Amino acid sequence: AQKVTQAQTEISVVEKEDVTLDCVYETRDTTYYLFWYKQPPSGELVFLIRRNSFDEQNEISGRYSWNFQKSTSSFNFTITASQVVDSAVYFCALKGSGNTGKLIFGQGTTLQVKP
Amino acid sequence: EPEVTQTPSHQVTQMGQEVILRCVPISNHLYFYWYRQILGQKVEFLVSFYNNEISEKSEIFDDQFSVERPDGSNFTLKIRSTKLEDSAMYFCASKTRNGGAGEQFFGPGTRLTVL
Repeated sequence: AQKVTQAQTEISVVEKEDVTLDCVYETRDTTYYLFWYKQPPSGELVFLIRRNSFDEQNEISGRYSWNFQKSTSSFNFTITASQVVDSAVYFCALKGSGNTGKLIFGQGTTLQVKP
Repeated sequence: EPEVTQTPSHQVTQMGQEVILRCVPISNHLYFYWYRQILGQKVEFLVSFYNNEISEKSEIFDDQFSVERPDGSNFTLKIRSTKLEDSAMYFCASKTRNGGAGEQFFGPGTRLTVL
């Protein structure tokens, strides 16, 4: 079975703090893809990153960084020096088995960044 | 920058009525999806569509649902006889490539309210 677990339902931080959003996945596929999406209060889903299972290199994009560890089936997301505009729901997703490309989402983590 | 568009942004309907949710995917994309998100919950896959046919559907996508690409640009989701539990945000997504390669671009969503 394929599954994505985001154990943190809500996180609240003060601006400029660093915050890590956890994502644990389950899959039997040997090749798979992981994603993070941001859902701001306006409701749209904004793509942040895609990572395939062959590439365990960590990635940094500005204040965002991602730590992919196959050994623990985790794909965690860190925001450095958080800002109020980072307040949103963040979803981790796994590409489902087969070739259709459907995404299996986690429950999401609501991040509130207070000024 | 090309984007996926959806209309209407909000649809209110009476239980038992038919609704059609419309999407215009990005023009050179070949794979199309519908997802739904019940308020406060995770995003769930409904159906994928490629080459003018359904390539995969979830157990949510029962006989009350249908999809169509009536022309070269629109991609529609029809719910024949809406139920209260169909109230949700419905997202359309599209991508260029098969499998996990290439990210899905999501539209802004249509909020469906069934009274």
